[in-house]
Amino acid sequence: GENVEQHPSTLSVQEGDSAVIKCTYSDSASNYFPWYKQELGKRPQLIIDIRSNVGEKKDQRIAVTLNKTAKHFSLHITETQPEDSAVYFCAASMDSNYQLIWGAGTKLIIKP
Amino acid sequence: EAGVTQFPSHSVIEKGQTVTLRCDPISGHDNLYWYRRVMGKEIKFLLHFVKESKQDESGMPNNRFLAERTGGTYSTLKVQPAELEDSGVYFCASSLTTVEETQYFGPGTRLLVL
Repeated sequence: GENVEQHPSTLSVQEGDSAVIKCTYSDSASNYFPWYKQELGKRPQLIIDIRSNVGEKKDQRIAVTLNKTAKHFSLHITETQPEDSAVYFCAASMDSNYQLIWGAGTKLIIKP
Repeated sequence: EAGVTQFPSHSVIEKGQTVTLRCDPISGHDNLYWYRRVMGKEIKFLLHFVKESKQDESGMPNNRFLAERTGGTYSTLKVQPAELEDSGVYFCASSLTTVEETQYFGPGTRLLVL
């Protein structure tokens, strides 16, 4: 079955710098890759997603890139702000079943 | 529009007891998913309903877990009898259709089995 690996487990960056979180997946049939942000004690919230027919997608300070050949996708956050501090999860799914297979999460810490 | 809601937010029970978790999806969402995160590990899929039918229950760990979605609206997840390893956060998510794949999550139920 599908397996998603996420790195790093913890990432500490200076406010204003960029943060990059990377995920790899194993099943080439996966075609949908969402990123969720979970603040402490709150629900996971979708922040951006990408489908396999697209290589990159941007939404203001957030971007996701996908390399289908290498089976990896990355989340990029530019000009980080204190409110970006949270746990970020990547996930993958495919059309044959819509269950999300999750990475282990990355705790992002923004240092003032 | 109200989001996905879950009840209770926390539950502390003893090993061997029964607990029932409830999820109310976003109104009109046919698809309902249950996931759980055991302490320190990744979020794992449990099952997927389309309306009242179980579409995929491949993630259910064993027959101590029973999920229902009578009438295709809210869903319950019952654990009977609960074991220590069942402790974790149980999330529910819903999506409008499987074509519209964005899954909206509830706040989770934190279950602690002592």
